[in-house]
Amino acid sequence: DQQVKQNSPSLSVQEGRISILNCDYTNSMFDYFLWYKKYPAEGPTFLISISSIKDKNEDGRFTVFLNKSAKHLSLHIVPSQPGDSAVYFCAASPNTNAGKSTFGDGTTLTVKP
Amino acid sequence: GAGVSQTPSNKVTEKGKYVELRCDPISGHTALYWYRQSLGQGPEFLIYFQGTGAADDSGLPNDRFFAVRPEGSVSTLKIQRTERGDSAVYLCASSLLGGSGANVLTFGAGSRLTVL
Repeated sequence: DQQVKQNSPSLSVQEGRISILNCDYTNSMFDYFLWYKKYPAEGPTFLISISSIKDKNEDGRFTVFLNKSAKHLSLHIVPSQPGDSAVYFCAASPNTNAGKSTFGDGTTLTVKP
Repeated sequence: GAGVSQTPSNKVTEKGKYVELRCDPISGHTALYWYRQSLGQGPEFLIYFQGTGAADDSGLPNDRFFAVRPEGSVSTLKIQRTERGDSAVYLCASSLLGGSGANVLTFGAGSRLTVL
């Protein structure tokens, strides 16, 4: 049973518009949530994170929202740029080891010029 | 080095052979992680080192998989009697902290293993 799910395998948006990537989780022990971005032939790179004590974290064009009651988080990218085209992974960790993450299967974002 | 270095970048082997994959973490990072990413899936946790010791090996799929980090820096993931199902990209990551508390992983580019 997958504990972290990204139900949309792919998403296509126009440059300048908002990209919204969604993630659901099932394990109540998850305390810390991260988004990673991955380009082909590279390892995932950290993008943004949020602790369970918050419901929003913003970093430039990237904002992550957490709804604990719904066990749902989302990543908003505004405005989207062609360079944002990549695979985005949602990951969740227990507080006991934030590096031991459970990843979703990823969403491939394509931003069209 | 500036980042996490993994060698080889690509490894093709035959079923039943022994394979070693190497990871050189960021200097000074005490925590080191191995993940495995199969095609179309997200990375899957294998093992975590804090210093020289394996603090959590709960993700290793079976006893054919073993990892070491003898001097608390470079780590080697060892796979015995490889099977076709072991084909995947093996990712190494390191972080400054380990255990509780927020810490961010820096991943290497991975070692792509193909078992024929």
